Amino acid sequence: QVRLVESGGGVVQPGRSLRLSCAASGFSFSGYGMHWVRQAPGKGLEWVAVIWYDDGSKKYYADSVKGRFTISRDNSKSTSYLQMNSLRAEDTAVYYCARHYDSSGHWHFDLWGRGTLVTVSS
Amino acid sequence: DIQMTQSPSSLSASVGDRVTITCRASQNISSYLNWYQQKPGKAPNLLIYAASSLQSAVPSRFRGSGSGTDFTLTISSLQPEDFATYYCQQSYTTPPTFGQGAKVEIK
Repeated sequence: QVRLVESGGGVVQPGRSLRLSCAASGFSFSGYGMHWVRQAPGKGLEWVAVIWYDDGSKKYYADSVKGRFTISRDNSKSTSYLQMNSLRAEDTAVYYCARHYDSSGHWHFDLWGRGTLVTVSS
Repeated sequence: DIQMTQSPSSLSASVGDRVTITCRASQNISSYLNWYQQKPGKAPNLLIYAASSLQSAVPSRFRGSGSGTDFTLTISSLQPEDFATYYCQQSYTTPPTFGQGAKVEIK
């Protein structure tokens, strides 16, 4: 079964850290770029970060998280990670991982996990 | 960053109605435009990619059109399971950006 499963969310105080995981199954994980997208309560979708499919050396971040969040991957475990440091109240959201699919140069998010909720509160 | 603006932000419609949602990009994005459907408490689901290509297993009542800066998602005959929020997303440049969403509610 092709799927993504996020874990690691929870309640954390401002300024603390949290690491999210996204476990993939049912497909060749190493062949796909992986993204993190978040959604604050009652709000729209916001892209967070992407790591490309190869050795994971190419990574890009939203300005809102640059310098605080780090995306990584372990192809041997078919897992992507999002290390979140210096968390702020505005980082409170459901965090989704999503697979990058390229179709003749047009890419899209073709597979999503169910999400994990991160709440930043004192 | 490219700004994506959807209209309307919400609409009320009845089963069987034809529904149209528009998405405007702040600059030319060619056909690098995707549409997603999201139901409450669920992850988004891809409907349309590359502006007009129907994702596998998505009903044919969903149609995407447009290029450049103006795009449209049309639902030809609204079904009960279509009441949801719809998002457009540009894949022309990084960072990818989403519209604010269009909520389709039951009239």
